[in-house]
Amino acid sequence: DAGVTQSPTHLIKTRGQHVTLRCSPISGHKSVSWYQQVLGQGPQFIFQYYEKEERGRGNFPDRFSARQFPNYSSELNVNALLLGDSALYLCASSLGQGREAFFGQGTRLTVV
Amino acid sequence: AQSVTQLDSQVPVFEEAPVELRCNYSSSVSVYLFWYVQYPNQGLQLLLKYLSGSTLVKGINGFEAEFNKSQTSFHLRKPSVHISDTAEYFCAVSDRRAGSYQLTFGKGTKLSVIP
Repeated sequence: DAGVTQSPTHLIKTRGQHVTLRCSPISGHKSVSWYQQVLGQGPQFIFQYYEKEERGRGNFPDRFSARQFPNYSSELNVNALLLGDSALYLCASSLGQGREAFFGQGTRLTVV
Repeated sequence: AQSVTQLDSQVPVFEEAPVELRCNYSSSVSVYLFWYVQYPNQGLQLLLKYLSGSTLVKGINGFEAEFNKSQTSFHLRKPSVHISDTAEYFCAVSDRRAGSYQLTFGKGTKLSVIP
């Protein structure tokens, strides 16, 4: 059974550009969350979606947005990229609250 | 609001020695507790979780953790480490309120196993 898949694995963007990151959850999982992990830090919560509805939002600027599709896959969008947006972006899926969150391998975003 | 403190940023330990990685949390509500491991350039893998019941939780790869509600701690232990345990370990909490799924992570502890 496939795990959480994220694409692309690596990405280099220029300041001011826009980026879209994609995530496919484990089959049957309806909850998808996004986390940002800056080098040397723990993951920081960005968004959580359950059944296509936003259920939580972390302390990130409005440049960050996300959505979940009918097949439960998800996109994270970041506008007007800053150098500080360089990080590993992790997607996690789960069956529901209190259940194990399974993480993908992440997308390494570098903003130059 | 929740917070997680991992008291040691780096822990060196000799192979086959025991190890304890410390985690304390702060929360105004009841929580679920997790330990994740991250190998270089990879995502996070769940080691173990505490949801309810016995306060001693056993996980994969010989790791275990004990939930101490009075001390708000969830320390991770292994009686004998291997070279392959070299990785970064993250403690995380999520609260039990209905509809809340967010994980709050600590800053991580880098475990280095010395041959």
